[in-house]
Amino acid sequence: DAGVIQSPRHEVTEMGQEVTLRCKPISGHNSLFWYRQTMMRGLELLIYFNNNVPIDDSGMPEDRFSAKMPNASFSTLKIQPSEPRDSAVYFCASSGTGGGIGNQPQHFGDGTRLSIL
Amino acid sequence: AQTVTQSQPEMSVQEAETVTLSCTYDTSENNYYLFWYKQPPSRQMILVIRQEAYKQQNATENRFSVNFQKAAKSFSLKISDSQLGDTAMYFCAFVIPNTGNQFYFGTGTSLTVIP
Repeated sequence: DAGVIQSPRHEVTEMGQEVTLRCKPISGHNSLFWYRQTMMRGLELLIYFNNNVPIDDSGMPEDRFSAKMPNASFSTLKIQPSEPRDSAVYFCASSGTGGGIGNQPQHFGDGTRLSIL
Repeated sequence: AQTVTQSQPEMSVQEAETVTLSCTYDTSENNYYLFWYKQPPSRQMILVIRQEAYKQQNATENRFSVNFQKAAKSFSLKISDSQLGDTAMYFCAFVIPNTGNQFYFGTGTSLTVIP
C-alpha cells in the first residue's frame, strides 16, 4: 500500500518567494495533518482537516501560511512570502477512523525539508 | 489543556541492554489512546506501539513494551535488547476520541545505542 506522499522532498528558495508543499494522504483516510519540525520547537501541529474541512488552524504561525484540501486525496501548505525562519521539515500525516475516531494511528509522509535563504 | 511531557531530551544505552523512556501526559478525559513514534535519522515517523487507555494490560511489540500507569498519567517505553537500529528520536503522543483525531506530541527523546 502506498503511504502518505509528500512533495517535494527538499526545497531551497530565496526569501520572499512563494513555497507550496504538497501531500497525498493514504486512500480512505479522512483526517489530514500538517506539522512543522525544528530543533528549537520540536514537532508542532499547524493545521488539520477532517473530511476535507479545516478543523483547527490555531497552530498556523501567521497569515503568510495557508493550507487547503480541495479533495480527499490532496492537500497543500503554502507560505507566501517565505522567510528564513520558516526553514524546517514539514510533515504531512493522515489517519482513518476505523474502529472509532482516535483508534487509528497517524501515518506520516517522509517530510519536506524546506530551506529559505 | 492537553499536554505531553518527555523529560529526557537525550539518552544513551549500550547495545543489548535495556532502556526506558519516560512520558507523562495531562488530560481530564478518561478515554484516549497513547502512542510511541520513532524517528530515525532518515526522519521517517514510524509507529512503534499503541495503548488503549481503557485496557489495563500493557502493550508489547517484540522488544518494545510500555508501562502504562493511568492514575499517574504515565506512559513509559521500554526497549529490551537494544540494537543499533533503535538509535532515533522517540515521541510520545495521545489522542482523545471524538475530538477530531488531533494528536498531542511530546518534545521527543533522542536515544543513542552505543556499540
